[in-house]
Amino acid sequence: DAGVIQSPRHEVTEMGQEVTLRCKPISGHNSLFWYRQTMMRGLELLIYFNNNVPIDDSGMPEDRFSAKMPNASFSTLKIQPSEPRDSAVYFCASSLDGVQPQHFGDGTRLSIL
Amino acid sequence: QKEVEQNSGPLSVPEGAIASLNCTYSDRGSQSFFWYRQYSGKSPELIMSIYSNGDKEDGRFTAQLNKASQYVSLLIRDSQPSDSATYLCAAYTGGFKTIFGAGTRLFVKA
Repeated sequence: DAGVIQSPRHEVTEMGQEVTLRCKPISGHNSLFWYRQTMMRGLELLIYFNNNVPIDDSGMPEDRFSAKMPNASFSTLKIQPSEPRDSAVYFCASSLDGVQPQHFGDGTRLSIL
Repeated sequence: QKEVEQNSGPLSVPEGAIASLNCTYSDRGSQSFFWYRQYSGKSPELIMSIYSNGDKEDGRFTAQLNKASQYVSLLIRDSQPSDSATYLCAAYTGGFKTIFGAGTRLFVKA
């Protein structure tokens, strides 16, 4: 079975540019989560969806961050404009129903110069 | 604020020893608990789930849950250098939300 698929695996871009991260959850999973991980702050939950509906976006750090889930098999996390402090590894995870354990994608390593 | 607390370590054990990783959680309503292993540069990988008080064993891993004390632990028997990683404790607190601890770094010395 395919796991959670994230793209791109690495992204290097200049400050001020728009960044779009993509995620395909495990087929049949109804809950999707976006996390950011840094050495300083650990794993931070940014936003999560259930049945394509955003449930809680209180972890989104600023209005520069937005996330969508147009259908059950695709989600995006967008940063516009990007800043150097956004540099981190961004993980997408999915769960069968939000109660069952989450399964993580390989992550996107984002560097903003 | 709901929290999951772990000692950041590093915890260093010799090869073949038992590694004991501990975790406490603040929300008494937490229902399910998970241990994830994260190798450097990789994503968190689920290794154990536990839902009721007591012990749950899976190979060299044993998860222990004590809801009265709000305490979860992970024992790794016969530790191997390949077990060296960061171990994340997580608690499902309801409303589709799982809270992760900051992780404990484990080093197994050959």
